[in-house]
Amino acid sequence: SAVISQKPSRDICQRGTSLTIQCQVDSQVTMMFWYRQQPGQSLTLIATANQGSEATYESGFVIDKFPISRPNLTFSTLTVSNMSPEDSSIYLCSAPHEGTDTQYFGPGTRLTVL
Amino acid sequence: AQSVTQLGSHVSVSEGALVLLRCNYSSSVPPYLFWYVQYPNQGLQLLLKYTSAATLVKGINGFEAEFKKSETSFHLTKPSAHMSDAAEYFCAVSFPAAGNKLTFGGGTRVLVKP
Repeated sequence: SAVISQKPSRDICQRGTSLTIQCQVDSQVTMMFWYRQQPGQSLTLIATANQGSEATYESGFVIDKFPISRPNLTFSTLTVSNMSPEDSSIYLCSAPHEGTDTQYFGPGTRLTVL
Repeated sequence: AQSVTQLGSHVSVSEGALVLLRCNYSSSVPPYLFWYVQYPNQGLQLLLKYTSAATLVKGINGFEAEFKKSETSFHLTKPSAHMSDAAEYFCAVSFPAAGNKLTFGGGTRVLVKP
């Protein structure tokens, strides 16, 4: 299985600021995914991050609010911009073990916006 | 569009009793199916998956699930619950043609009573 790490593990931020979350995979992968888990809710896909191209966003999510970078095949960042308390969630990245159809998840970043 | 329904947001079982978590999907083509577990304050861990091989799938920690195409179901079972099984369980589907991104059910929180 892929080993995926995220930084920071948690943060408390002020309204109107931005936070960048990092995701590192221990092997090269073509696609990485970013999910949001709102309090007491299930996971919702934010976007798919492909190396060398712009991220593909799901309905309800926009690049201005959640810009994503994918500089190489093992790393991605998600920025939560101009935060409001409604952005308080756990943000998780995932990636498939290359050559398989199974997504493995990072430990998540717990974000609280005051 | 595909969807995943987990019947019961909360399930309470006695230690040693059968665990049964229900998952139904809606899709025009057979999907890949997954069960993930999330322990408190942790990321998601893969329990098991179905990807068009054997319909009865065995996973980690004594869990298994059976894919029933006629019922569009993928219910998760464990013969004997252990206190350590207390967690939230998520059923998810993906489609290789759609890049293997996951669509999750609403989740079922399992409480194990001594």
